[in-house]
Amino acid sequence: DGGITQSPKYLFRKEGQNVTLSCEQNLNHDAMYWYRQDPGQGLRLIYYSQIVNDFQKGDIAEGYSVSREKKESFPLTVTSAQKNPTAFYLCASSGPGANVLTFGAGSRLTVL
Amino acid sequence: QQPVQSPQAVILREGEDAVINCSSSKALYSVHWYRQKHGEAPVFLMILLKGGEQKGHEKISASFNEKKQQSSLYLTASQLSYSGTYFCGTVPFTSGYALNFGKGTSLLVTP
Repeated sequence: DGGITQSPKYLFRKEGQNVTLSCEQNLNHDAMYWYRQDPGQGLRLIYYSQIVNDFQKGDIAEGYSVSREKKESFPLTVTSAQKNPTAFYLCASSGPGANVLTFGAGSRLTVL
Repeated sequence: QQPVQSPQAVILREGEDAVINCSSSKALYSVHWYRQKHGEAPVFLMILLKGGEQKGHEKISASFNEKKQQSSLYLTASQLSYSGTYFCGTVPFTSGYALNFGKGTSLLVTP
C-alpha cells in the first residue's frame, strides 16, 4: 500500500543535540512538507519541497534544516538552535493538481 | 498567515448540526478541510477551488465565499465518528503553494 512512513514515532533528546526525523513516501508525489503541531496552535509549516534538490522555508524554519536528495525522502533535522523543539512533527506529500496532502503518522520529539 | 477558525470547540449531541468557519485576510486560491482524530494523522475531507462552490460528502459539506475569503464546513445529523479536530488549510494567491492551516476546531459528539 502506498503511503508515508515517518520514523521514529517517539524520540527523546537532550538539549544541545541535533536530531533527524525521517520521512519516506512511496506515492510518487513530487511535493513534500514538514509541519509542526503544538497544542492549540494548529499545524505550522516548517519547510516544503516541490522537486528534488529544491526546498523553501515555511513560517517557522528557524532552527530546522532539510534535504531533498531523492524524490521519496525528505528528512528534517532539528538543530540545537531550535529553542523549543518539543512538539509533534508531521510529514506530508502531495501529487499533481490541487495540493491535497497525505500525512504520515507523525514523530513526537521530546527534549529533556 | 494562519487563517482564523471559529469556534475553537464545539460539543454536540448525536444528531445535532454544527458549522465551523474559516476566514483569511488574503485572497485565496483554494480552501482545504481536514479532520484529525486523537493521536492520528490529519485526513483530507474536501477541497474548494471556486467562489461560491459547495461540495459535500454524505452529511458533511462546505462552502467557499471567494469574495469574503471565507469558508464554512457544515456537519449535519452528527455521528459519534465525527468527533475530532477540524482544520482548514488555505492557499493564498500570493504565497502560491503550501497550505497554511488554522488552529483547529475541536468537535466532540456525545451519545
